Amino acid sequence: QKEVEQNSGPLSVPEGAIASLNCTYSDRVSQSFFWYRQYSGKSPELIMSIYSNGDKEDGRFTAQLNKASQYVSLLIRDSQPSDSATYLCAVTSSGGSYIPTFGRGTSLIVHP
Amino acid sequence: DTGVSQDPRHKITKRGQNVTFRCDPISEHNRLYWYRQTLGQGPEFLTYFQNEAQLEKSRLLSDRFSAERPKGSFSTLEIQRTEQGDSAMYLCASSPGTGFHEQYFGPGTRLTVT
Repeated sequence: QKEVEQNSGPLSVPEGAIASLNCTYSDRVSQSFFWYRQYSGKSPELIMSIYSNGDKEDGRFTAQLNKASQYVSLLIRDSQPSDSATYLCAVTSSGGSYIPTFGRGTSLIVHP
Repeated sequence: DTGVSQDPRHKITKRGQNVTFRCDPISEHNRLYWYRQTLGQGPEFLTYFQNEAQLEKSRLLSDRFSAERPKGSFSTLEIQRTEQGDSAMYLCASSPGTGFHEQYFGPGTRLTVT
């Protein structure tokens, strides 16, 4: 059973702070890692993908991957109230189908 | 390119009725996935297609659920004899199927079974 674990939160941070969202996964052969943002009542929106160990930056977002520790994180710098949403971690293993396993998501609240 | 579209956006039906949802993927994407999401949970995989071939189905998918993707373009998901437990958001996503494997979701169809 492949598992992806996230703290459900809510994680509350003040506007302008760095929000740190964490995700662990159980399948050691996982290859692809994704972060989705989901606003209440809406569908998931892809914000970051990462495939190799280390950091990947895109604007205010940084994804960090550590395959040895089976850990992936998302940092949001200069958090804005519009970043308030649920952040879903998704992990895909090898095998051809590339079907991701999603975590339950972490609720982020950015307060002014 | 307008992204993944789904129709209808909302569906209210009575228990025992059949419902059908449609998904139009991004035009150059050959992989199409269906998921179900309930409150407080991440999307759960139901089935996926590569072109017109249905390559995998979740064990969660009972025999009341069927999906098709004729000609490898749009896809339909049908639920027969709906039950209250089928109430959920049904999400469709598409992926290029080559190279990296990001999936892009449609807006979803929210099903309420009364």
